[in-house]
Amino acid sequence: EPEVTQTPSHQVTQMGQEVILRCVPISNHLYFYWYRQILGQKVEFLVSFYNNEISEKSEIFDDQFSVERPDGSNFTLKIRSTKLEDSAMYFCASRGARQGNEKLFFGSGTQLSVL
Amino acid sequence: DAKTTQPNSMESNEEEPVHLPCNHSTISGTDYIHWYLQLPSQGPEYVIHGLTSNVNNRMASLAIAEDRKSSTLILHRATLRDAAVYYCILSHFFQSGSEKLVFGKGTKLTVNP
Repeated sequence: EPEVTQTPSHQVTQMGQEVILRCVPISNHLYFYWYRQILGQKVEFLVSFYNNEISEKSEIFDDQFSVERPDGSNFTLKIRSTKLEDSAMYFCASRGARQGNEKLFFGSGTQLSVL
Repeated sequence: DAKTTQPNSMESNEEEPVHLPCNHSTISGTDYIHWYLQLPSQGPEYVIHGLTSNVNNRMASLAIAEDRKSSTLILHRATLRDAAVYYCILSHFFQSGSEKLVFGKGTKLTVNP
């Protein structure tokens, strides 16, 4: 079965530094997402992206966060100035069809640790 | 966001059926019911989804109450590999066509050999 690929699997950074988390969604998928999960907590929606623009975002996704699909295959999440509370597992997901409740395919995640 | 209620944990024995319940009394007419599972240190993985009718796939069955206020995920013969956290989720669709899945705490399923 096709899969969503995320790199790196682990990222350690200093507080205040910029990080970019990378994802390769399933080719020919149209909708792209970032979710995160703080250790021991629920999986939380961050943002959805369609047609080269953000379609929806949560209140977590403030102006420190940005997403981009720079080359038609990669989908990135950038955190401009990381905070300790950004430490979490970040999951990328993608979906194919525009309508019809197709399933989301999630990647294995990037564990971000902010020191 | 419409909420779901699940037991925190359940236990089963290997090769026995497992019924994982979910209550979603505030479900709206257009909400689909999704189930995902999550293994430790892995991303969520799709199990099954439905709207009104019961659904079967190679992984599981989904039984949806007639009033749609509850549903049950059925694993017909539990294996050790089925041990995971199972999330019952109502998908919320936006006008753009995208949606967000609102995860709860899920049910941690333990399968005993």
